[in-house]
Amino acid sequence: DQQVKQNSPSLSVQEGRISILNCDYTNSMFDYFLWYKKYPAEGPTFLISISSIKDKNEDGRFTVFLNKSAKHLSLHIVPSQPGDSAVYFCAASGGSNYKLTFGKGTLLTVNP
Amino acid sequence: GAVVSQHPSRVICKSGTSVKIECRSLDFQATTMFWYRQFPKQSLMLMATSNEGSKATYEQGVEKDKFLINHASLTLSTLTVTSAHPEDSSFYICSARGQGVFSYNSPLHFGNGTRLTVT
Repeated sequence: DQQVKQNSPSLSVQEGRISILNCDYTNSMFDYFLWYKKYPAEGPTFLISISSIKDKNEDGRFTVFLNKSAKHLSLHIVPSQPGDSAVYFCAASGGSNYKLTFGKGTLLTVNP
Repeated sequence: GAVVSQHPSRVICKSGTSVKIECRSLDFQATTMFWYRQFPKQSLMLMATSNEGSKATYEQGVEKDKFLINHASLTLSTLTVTSAHPEDSSFYICSARGQGVFSYNSPLHFGNGTRLTVT
């Protein structure tokens, strides 16, 4: 039973446009959410996070939105750049348990 | 910034042999390290949590006698895949968390992973 779901395995976007990556979760105990970016044969790199006490966090071109009632979060990248092409993982943790539960990832391709 | 080094990056071994993977935190003391496994087109699956100086905690379905974890110091954790079989072929990734509160600004840091191929 997947507690963190990324229902889109892939997304293709034109350079300069907005990329929107979605993530849903089922465990109401999750209170901290992260996005990681991963290139092939490398470990994930932390991108941005959000605590459940907030509904938005912004860092440069990256913004994460959290809708707790819908148990849904999204990552917005604008403007998208070819270098953003990678697999993006949504992850969540809850309480004092620092274990992260990951989604399956979404492959983002930004076309020049 | 914090760096986690994982070695080797790639290993090929014969069925029945054992393989050791090292995970080091280079500029911080990692009280807790996590070992993940990723199969193609799948999410990172947590295998076990290791705390320095104590026994690792394994996730359900992970054989602790097959995947031996040692976290003898604050900067080094090792994962040994014993009597490896082809079905153990996967991408293994470690991550580390430093001392103190897992705060809003302190996400886990990951190593670059180890691609294990068992022939």
